[in-house]
Amino acid sequence: GAVVSQHPSWVICKSGTSVKIECRSLDFQATTMFWYRQFPKQSLMLMATSNEGSKATYEQGVEKDKFLINHASLTLSTLTVTSAHPEDSSFYICSARSGTVNTEAFFGQGTRLTVV
Amino acid sequence: DQQVKQNSPSLSVQEGRISILNCDYTNSMFDYFLWYKKYPAEGPTFLISISSIKDKNEDGRFTVFLNKSAKHLSLHIVPSQPGDSAVYFCAARWSGGGADGLTFGKGTHLIIQP
Repeated sequence: GAVVSQHPSWVICKSGTSVKIECRSLDFQATTMFWYRQFPKQSLMLMATSNEGSKATYEQGVEKDKFLINHASLTLSTLTVTSAHPEDSSFYICSARSGTVNTEAFFGQGTRLTVV
Repeated sequence: DQQVKQNSPSLSVQEGRISILNCDYTNSMFDYFLWYKKYPAEGPTFLISISSIKDKNEDGRFTVFLNKSAKHLSLHIVPSQPGDSAVYFCAARWSGGGADGLTFGKGTHLIIQP
């Protein structure tokens, strides 16, 4: 399958700082990228959907001003967690898809964020 | 409100036997279903999918069955191998939903015993 690379794989930051997570599609152009969050022993929860060159669509309950998503090119999307708090500590995973809705989406390896 | 439910948090199966993982959904608008395999601290890996117009899809050792009337799908792995030990997530999507990300179940931890 296609390769989606997520960086960093883990990060520790202090409360109040911002953290940027990158998601890259390495061998295909991703028209749509998705950001998920997973708490321990829970399912992956969709946070937002972004299409290249347009604003992200956030799921209900996700603060768009806190979780800034930029999808500036067909191979790169970034998620910035602003003013991080300990409750933002989680596993963040991106996925990327080319083409239409029923084209398969491929996942990055995830980023473990710990806010201290 | 869990729209995709995997009611078994874990499942233990002997190597060589069949593993059957179950998934139920409540949203009748879902029209595409997927199974992912996930190891700790890694992203999910796609296994197999099925469109709502089908009732079965097979790929090697993996077969997914869909029962639309019961809003139920299952993943069969046969024969089970030690490398199959992982958490398996069922996911669903509604093509006409606009924001078309996946809705995941909570996962089932499959343990293959030698």
